[in-house]
Order: sequence, then C-alpha cells, then structure tokens
Amino acid sequence: AQTVTQSQPEMSVQEAETVTLSCTYDTSENNYYLFWYKQPPSRQMILVIRQEAYKQQNATENRFSVNFQKAAKSFSLKISDSQLGDTAMYFCAFMRYVSGGGADGLTFGKGTHLIIQP
Amino acid sequence: NAGVTQTPKFQVLKTGQSMTLQCAQDMNHEYMSWYRQDPGMGLRLIHYSVGAGITDQGEVPNGYNVSRSTTEDFPLRLLSAAPSQTSVYFCASSLRAANYGYTFGSGTRLTVV
Repeated sequence: AQTVTQSQPEMSVQEAETVTLSCTYDTSENNYYLFWYKQPPSRQMILVIRQEAYKQQNATENRFSVNFQKAAKSFSLKISDSQLGDTAMYFCAFMRYVSGGGADGLTFGKGTHLIIQP
Repeated sequence: NAGVTQTPKFQVLKTGQSMTLQCAQDMNHEYMSWYRQDPGMGLRLIHYSVGAGITDQGEVPNGYNVSRSTTEDFPLRLLSAAPSQTSVYFCASSLRAANYGYTFGSGTRLTVV
C-alpha cells in the first residue's frame, strides 16, 4: 500500500510571491505517477501537473513546476508569481503503474490549504 | 463533451435508506473510480473499474457496491445508508494511458441523518 503525506495543512503568501508545497510518499513500487490537483471553493478537482517516475526531468506547466526527488520520495509543487485565483486546497496524489499501460486508483494526501493574500 | 457528469449534486438520506449515485462520462475513458472526501482526510478510493464488466475495491469499499455494464456509466450504490457515509463523493475517469491523469466530476454532497 502507498501513503502520501502533506505536512503543511495551511500556507499563506502574498500575491506575486513564490510558494512551495511539500509532498512525500511511501511506496515499494518502482514505476508510478505523481499528480498535483487543485480544489478551489467550487469543489471541482482540477489537475495541475503530472510526473512520471521514470522521467528524471521535472514537469512544468506555466507557473507551476515540481521538484521530483525519487530517492527521497519527495514531490513538491512550486507556484511562481502567485495569483489570487491560486487560492485553493492542493492535493498531492500517487498512482502506481500497472503493466500494459494501465491505470489504477489514486492515493491522495490530506491536502494543503493555500491562501494568496492581496 | 460534457466530461464527467455526476447526479445528484446534493442528497439527504435517512439512515437505512438505499440510493444510487450516478456517474457518466462521454470521453470514452476506460478507467473510472469513486472517491469520498471527508474533512481533513483528503480523498479516499472506494471502488474502481478498468473497463466494462471489471471492478475492484479500493481503500474504503464497505457499504458500497458498484457495477460497470457500459464504458460510459459507473454507478455507486449505497445499500443501507449510515451517518458515517455522510461525505462528498467524486467520480473520476481516465484514458487507458495512465499518465494522462484522472478527470473528476463536480461531486455529490450526501448527508445521512
């Protein structure tokens, strides 16, 4: 079984600052996928960024980037030039690789509530 | 495309009642799954399916049944509702390519009194 830990229940930064959300995970799998999801007050779960464990290069999506450290089992999310619309719950999620290119269910951390102050 | 559609959005049940939460997707996704979200707990996997006719249990399956008769639909059944099942329920779907990531529905808020 996998576990995902987000050690920061809440964070608050000023608009335009850079913020990093932490995520660690525990697994015996060698091949897996990692995701960050955003959940604004609307409750909708929105995929922010994804990372394949076999790729050494860190994923980036516009202002969002990750620092993936496989040996340390760490997967942090960096948000640059933060905006008021970034205020949301952020969830780190793990999915193990299934042979044949299949998918599996997601294991989530408990989330970090990020508040962007004007 | 409508994406992942969940109905109803809100529901109040009495203890012991049964009901079905509906989930449908129009993206021809093979993989579908159900999660519940409780305060301070993140999302936890209830059941998932890798294709029509195939389902499997997740982390918290007790009290819930699923079936997958078509690619598009993946209903979640509460057999005898209990107050502990008060939660927000999310359905999600994904392409066969695992790194695509899951697309989520907008959720159903269920209250059991």
